[in-house]
Amino acid sequence: EIVLTQSPGTLSLSPGEGATLSCRASQSVSPFFAWYQQKPGQTPRLLIYDTSTRSTGTPDRFSGSGSGTDCTLTISRLEPEDFAVYYCQQYGRTPTWTFGQGTKVEIK
Amino acid sequence: EVQLVESGGGLVQPGRSLRLSCAASGFTFGDYAMHWVRQAPGKGPEWVSGISWNSGTIDYADSVKGRFTISRDNAKKFVSLQMNSLRAEDTAFYYCVKDTGNGWPSPFQDWGQGTLVSVSS
Repeated sequence: EIVLTQSPGTLSLSPGEGATLSCRASQSVSPFFAWYQQKPGQTPRLLIYDTSTRSTGTPDRFSGSGSGTDCTLTISRLEPEDFAVYYCQQYGRTPTWTFGQGTKVEIK
Repeated sequence: EVQLVESGGGLVQPGRSLRLSCAASGFTFGDYAMHWVRQAPGKGPEWVSGISWNSGTIDYADSVKGRFTISRDNAKKFVSLQMNSLRAEDTAFYYCVKDTGNGWPSPFQDWGQGTLVSVSS
C-alpha cells in the first residue's frame, strides 16, 4: 500500500506570504499526484492534478511541481481565503487512490 | 450544475449492514467513474471504492475489501455501496464522488454533501 507523508503538519503564515507544502510517497507515483483544499464544513476541492495542472477555477497563485516520489504545492502569496487544510493524493497505484494526512495552513 | 445526493446512512450495530445510495444529476453520468470516499470527524479523507463508467473496473480499499460492494445503474444515474459486517472503524461521513473524466484512474472533481454512518452498540 502506498503511504503519502505530508510536511509540515501545520504552517503558520501571514497573508501575503508564500507557502510551500510537501508530499512524499512511499513509492514512485509521478505524475499521478493531486492536491485538494478543504475548509471547515466543506468537502475537499480539487486544486491541482497530474502534479502540475490547475483544475478549472484554481487561481494561478497555486502551482504544483514534483517527480518520482515527491510533489510540492506552492502558494505564491496567501490570500485570506487560502487558510485551510491541504491534502495531497496519489492515483497511480493500488489501492488506487490514497490521501496524505494533511497540512493545515493557519493565520499567524 | 453537478448534483450528487447521498442517502442511506444511519446508526447501526457492529456486524450489521447498510446500503448507501447516490443519485446523480447535472452531467452525463455514464461518462464518468464514480467513487465512495469517507472521512471521519477531524480526520483526512479515505478512499473506499471506485467503479468505472461501464462497471468494467471496480476497486476497493484493503480496509473494506470483502465486506463492501459498489455498483451503478447508468440508466437510473445511481451508484450504491452495500456495506456488510460493519465495524466501529467504519464510522464516518461517506461521500459520493465523481472523477474528472480523464480515464481510469483520475482524481476527484465533484463531491456530494455526505451521509453519516455510525457503527456502535
